[in-house]
Amino acid sequence: SQQGEEDPQALSIQEGENATMNCSYKTSINNLQWYRQNSGRGLVHLILIRSNEREKHSGRLRVTLDTSKKSSSLLITASRAADTASYFCATDGSHAGGTSYGKLTFGQGTILTVHP
Amino acid sequence: SQTIHQWPATLVQPVGSPLSLECTVEGTSNPNLYWYRQAAGRGLQLLFYSVGIGQISSEVPQNLSASRPQDRQFILSSKKLLLSDSGFYLCAWGKGETNEKLFFGSGTQLSVL
Repeated sequence: SQQGEEDPQALSIQEGENATMNCSYKTSINNLQWYRQNSGRGLVHLILIRSNEREKHSGRLRVTLDTSKKSSSLLITASRAADTASYFCATDGSHAGGTSYGKLTFGQGTILTVHP
Repeated sequence: SQTIHQWPATLVQPVGSPLSLECTVEGTSNPNLYWYRQAAGRGLQLLFYSVGIGQISSEVPQNLSASRPQDRQFILSSKKLLLSDSGFYLCAWGKGETNEKLFFGSGTQLSVL
């Protein structure tokens, strides 16, 4: 089944504005992770939120998780042109408490463009 | 510190030719290793993963195979490439039974013509 479907597919904002991306998933998870990918490059891990957490912060990043709605959001505050990239959410492949060996399932991503 | 190397960065191959992509990890032992494929503008699809030498699990039936001849070496192969094998291939590593972070290589853009 599809996990980690992000919306919007593309987001265009001005520097200094906040950017919010959403992710929905279908099955139980141990954790949900967000990754960033610059064009033509590998993915870089941004932040992880566990299934028993509701909100997490890291610098200008804020992630929320609503397990009842099976959804997460990533907020980037005070965006910069350097934040331009694709952002992916990823969920582990096991049911809660199981062993996944890191088999993450990625969504289709949100392409964020920040205009200077 | 740990690093992951993946090569080549780009590859153009004719249909029916063989393929070998290599990925190596430095600075850690017994990593979990993964091959993902990314179609243009799309998310990542897990192809293979390995939790130890010689241990390969395939996630989707396809024209590709993977091998792990050494602890920190992961190879993606094909005997005869198809047009549909084109894409961006990413190698990644993680640790433990429940990875909390994957580290990705820089990717190989494969074009099969």
